[in-house]
Amino acid sequence: GNSVTQMEGPVTLSEEAFLTINCTYTATGYPSLFWYVQYPGEGLQLLLKATKADDKGSNKGFEATYRKETTSFHLEKGSVQVSDSAVYFCALSDFNTGANSKLTFGKGITLSVRP
Amino acid sequence: DAGITQSPRYKITETGRQVTLMCHQTWSHSYMFWYRQDLGHGLRLIYYSAAADITDKGEVPDGYVVSRSKTENFPLTLESATRSQTSVYFCASSDPGRDGYTFGSGTRLTVV
Repeated sequence: GNSVTQMEGPVTLSEEAFLTINCTYTATGYPSLFWYVQYPGEGLQLLLKATKADDKGSNKGFEATYRKETTSFHLEKGSVQVSDSAVYFCALSDFNTGANSKLTFGKGITLSVRP
Repeated sequence: DAGITQSPRYKITETGRQVTLMCHQTWSHSYMFWYRQDLGHGLRLIYYSAAADITDKGEVPDGYVVSRSKTENFPLTLESATRSQTSVYFCASSDPGRDGYTFGSGTRLTVV
């Protein structure tokens, strides 16, 4: 079946540091890939997505590229801020559209950014 | 405002009691989902629904019951709560053409 593996956390960085959060997946077919963010006390929010190989999703300074050859979708940001402190989830969908299919989530990783 | 609303936000119940968590969405999205979030496990799908009167099991359905008589509501019932069901529960909805899911703010359930 489908699965998503995220790097172990938590991660603590200083403000303006470079961020990479690794995500690899196992899936049949051609899944869509997502990153969700969960701020303290809130539900998950879609951060970015990619629907096919070599697509790059981007939002709020975050980027992730769909790498089919390495089955990866690593999240990066060049300069993190304190406000980026949150839990980040990588996810994939069963079908290419991603809109109405079940999502499989990784375990999430907590990011803390120090001033 | 349009959105997805979960209630209650917090709930403490005793072992063996029945408890129902509510989820209401105002978009008329066809798909709705229930997840539980536990440390070390991430998010796990409990049940989902493709439309009114159509529901199906997810990864961890045991001990839970769902119904969907109206498109906008998708309640989750724990028939006889156990301590292992202490968790944060999230409801989500989606519709063809949208990107991914929209999540509610969650219900933190404690079973004592």
